Amino acid sequence: AQRVTQPEKLLSVFKGAPVELKCNYSYSGSPELFWYVQYSRQRLQLLLRHISRESIKGFTADLNKGETSFHLKKPFAQEEDSAMYSCSARQLTFGSGTQLTVLP
Amino acid sequence: SQTIHQWPATLVQPVGSPLSLECTVEGTSNPNLYWYRQAAGRGLQLLFYSIGIDQISSEVPQNLSASRPQDRQFILSSKKLLLSDSGFYLCAWNEPTGHGYEQYFGPGTRLTVT
Repeated sequence: AQRVTQPEKLLSVFKGAPVELKCNYSYSGSPELFWYVQYSRQRLQLLLRHISRESIKGFTADLNKGETSFHLKKPFAQEEDSAMYSCSARQLTFGSGTQLTVLP
Repeated sequence: SQTIHQWPATLVQPVGSPLSLECTVEGTSNPNLYWYRQAAGRGLQLLFYSIGIDQISSEVPQNLSASRPQDRQFILSSKKLLLSDSGFYLCAWNEPTGHGYEQYFGPGTRLTVT
């Protein structure tokens, strides 16, 4: 079955600490993977995609085909990073999301 | 610039009543359009997508239907709502970029079936 799993519903870190949001996928073929973010009172928006290998707002995500993972990382979390983060395969299958809270 | 509208923002409907949610896009032509649903505590679930007028693909069998009567209009409907239809409904559209596709979401409709 095609599935995207985000094992953590809630994640809290202190400002300046590293953060890693986990995403694992089970998908046939080599799906394109995405991270979305939704800040409080804002629309869901695309954060980054694995194909472009970009760093957005200090976040990066590396595709590990062996582990079928696409974890989102940032070395130093900021309070404005607090949001709901969702991982997606092909923009069709989404994980249940991880609510990140960065504490002062 | 491109914008996407959805209405209504919130809706409370009794079981068995009909449903019509509308989504319109501005600033683009022939977009790929999507309807997603997010149930409480769960991820987004793709319901329908459309690559053109009157071209609708259903991802999940259910009592919902979708129609695209115009290029930039996408409608989600039901003849008789079920309690399980409650959720947050998002419309989205894609456009191709040099790195694949960019995706834009509407503000969503919160549907509560009572």
